[in-house]
Amino acid sequence: KQEVTQIPAALSVPEGENLVLNCSFTDSAIYNLQWFRQDPGKGLTSLLLIQSSQREQTSGRLNASLDKSSGRSTLYIAASQPGDSATYLCAATGNQFYFGTGTSLTVIP
Amino acid sequence: GAVVSQHPSWVICKSGTSVKIECRSLDFQATTMFWYRQFPKQSLMLMATSNEGSKATYEQGVEKDKFLINHASLTLSTLTVTSAHPEDSSFYICSARRLAGSADTQYFGPGTRLTVL
Repeated sequence: KQEVTQIPAALSVPEGENLVLNCSFTDSAIYNLQWFRQDPGKGLTSLLLIQSSQREQTSGRLNASLDKSSGRSTLYIAASQPGDSATYLCAATGNQFYFGTGTSLTVIP
Repeated sequence: GAVVSQHPSWVICKSGTSVKIECRSLDFQATTMFWYRQFPKQSLMLMATSNEGSKATYEQGVEKDKFLINHASLTLSTLTVTSAHPEDSSFYICSARRLAGSADTQYFGPGTRLTVL
């Protein structure tokens, strides 16, 4: 069974810093790797989706990379802002979504 | 983009009552929908896969008689929590699978907060 782990579980950074969130998965036979943002008490907002044949995707200040062979993905956030504070979830998709444990990010003004 | 709605967004009920949560795909047809639950500060756990016109497939450890799923149309799936108890209090999220050509994407609903007193 696919297991997805995210490190760190929580992260607190001052505004303006660049940061990296890590996601690892045990089964490299995935269709996609997707990153989501979840605000407290809210649903999921899709940030980036990397297909299994791709290496990375970019959207604004966000860049996600995928290395299937090593079972890793990273989400890079440039010039962090207080509005980036949220929980970030990665999900490895096969026949279903396998969600990671999440990283709770706090950006301090 | 595709939109998935859930109703209600939150519900409080007494122990022993049943609660129905609706998941709708607003602008596309979804032959498959998924139901997840999320406990505080934990990740989403898949409960069941709902297929239009057929019985749902439940994940190991999920009681099918307690969590009734009906997927009667291509745009609506319902989750009924029967005889709810305080331990059923959780955040329930649905997603709908959209097939467009070779693309296969899931869209997530905003979630329903269930509190059982």
